[in-house]
Amino acid sequence: DTEVTQTPKHLVMGMTNKKSLKCEQHMGHRAMYWYKQKAKKPPELMFVYSYEKLSINESVPSRFSPECPNSSLLNLHLHALQPEDSALYLCASSQVLAGTYEQYFGPGTRLTVT
Amino acid sequence: KNEVEQSPQNLTAQEGEFITINCSYSVGISALHWLQQHPGGGIVSLFMLSSGKKKHGRLIATINIQEKHSSLHITASHPRDSAVYICAVSHDVPRNLRFGAGTRLTVKP
Repeated sequence: DTEVTQTPKHLVMGMTNKKSLKCEQHMGHRAMYWYKQKAKKPPELMFVYSYEKLSINESVPSRFSPECPNSSLLNLHLHALQPEDSALYLCASSQVLAGTYEQYFGPGTRLTVT
Repeated sequence: KNEVEQSPQNLTAQEGEFITINCSYSVGISALHWLQQHPGGGIVSLFMLSSGKKKHGRLIATINIQEKHSSLHITASHPRDSAVYICAVSHDVPRNLRFGAGTRLTVKP
């Protein structure tokens, strides 16, 4: 199984809502990533977890809160978002956090903030 | 200047044509990745290479470490190859991908 799954596929939320994005992999990977991608732009790294511990936070606003409850699951909790946060949110995983390991991407969650 | 530069930004080809997308990077790397993204979709890893050449079906990726340059070739292109192709580099520290801007490929029948 070389699949990374993400739910939901689409999400529309108001600026006062609280919602969560979910990512799951069953490849035994110990590094998991959240990326944000705006239209016609490359992905931007948000967070990296290594062995369930937050390893990299690319100065992401606190309205985005990541969580890694176990080695297969990665969540992104959203609260009080702004319209400019509307984007495709991609999850990825790799065997470990090292430069020579391939990243496997999920299909993404398309988020619209109204 | 972006650490990873891709060219061309946009490419339109006729079905059957040989296609080349180029990627240059400015610092030493652990590996270079070629990724494919279809419209509205997730990203698929095509190749990861740190030297030489790799081939998978109609796709070929090469890298020249001394020149800090990589190319992705598509032979006998097909409309289903239409996608954005992204070059990315990885380092051991920090351990995340640095992406190029992507090349939007359209293959017309």
